Amino acid sequence: LAKTTQPISMDSYEGQEVNITCSHNNIATNDYITWYQQFPSQGPRFIIQGYKTKVTNEVASLFIPADRKSSTLSLPRVSLSDTAVYYCLVGRGGGSYIPTFGRGTSLIVHP
Amino acid sequence: DAGITQSPRHKVTETGTPVTLRCHQTENHRYMYWYRQDPGHGLRLIHYSYGVKDTDKGEVSDGYSVSRSKTEDFLLTLESATSSQTSVYFCAISDPRGGGDTQYFGPGTRLTVL
Repeated sequence: LAKTTQPISMDSYEGQEVNITCSHNNIATNDYITWYQQFPSQGPRFIIQGYKTKVTNEVASLFIPADRKSSTLSLPRVSLSDTAVYYCLVGRGGGSYIPTFGRGTSLIVHP
Repeated sequence: DAGITQSPRHKVTETGTPVTLRCHQTENHRYMYWYRQDPGHGLRLIHYSYGVKDTDKGEVSDGYSVSRSKTEDFLLTLESATSSQTSVYFCAISDPRGGGDTQYFGPGTRLTVL
């Protein structure tokens, strides 16, 4: 199982770009990288997924270097409502894959 | 939002009593999961199912059992609840045919064992 490491917490201010990096040194060839967002008292919500290079959607961008040993979730121009816990997961899904969420990164956006 | 419901949403019970939590989906997804979330531990997988009657253990399965007799329902049972099982329980579903793991979560069940 690919283990991930991310910062426990981050602080930012409204309007700034936030980059959260996740390390996954033993990622397997078929593994994808998936990020989730969780607000208090809610279940996690899928944000973005990628395999290599860059992926962008209406919410975020995901940057994956060529060696795929890390990935960076980029949130452009954060607002107070982006205050949440962000989780990075690595895996292929299906089969005997056991998703491991860890403690995630707690992002606090200040006014 | 994916069609996932959990019932009950809140439950208070006493130590030693059996408890069953239900997860229901309308997406026809093959995989279903049960997690617990506790302060300082993030989400931890209890059990998962990869099809009707096909289940397997996660990282914190002791004290829990599951059943899946229909695609849409995944039940989590605490045979004899203990105070250490006080937690928020989340159900999730996924359909990994695309290759990656994209899970959709239910609203959660807050369980208190006195």
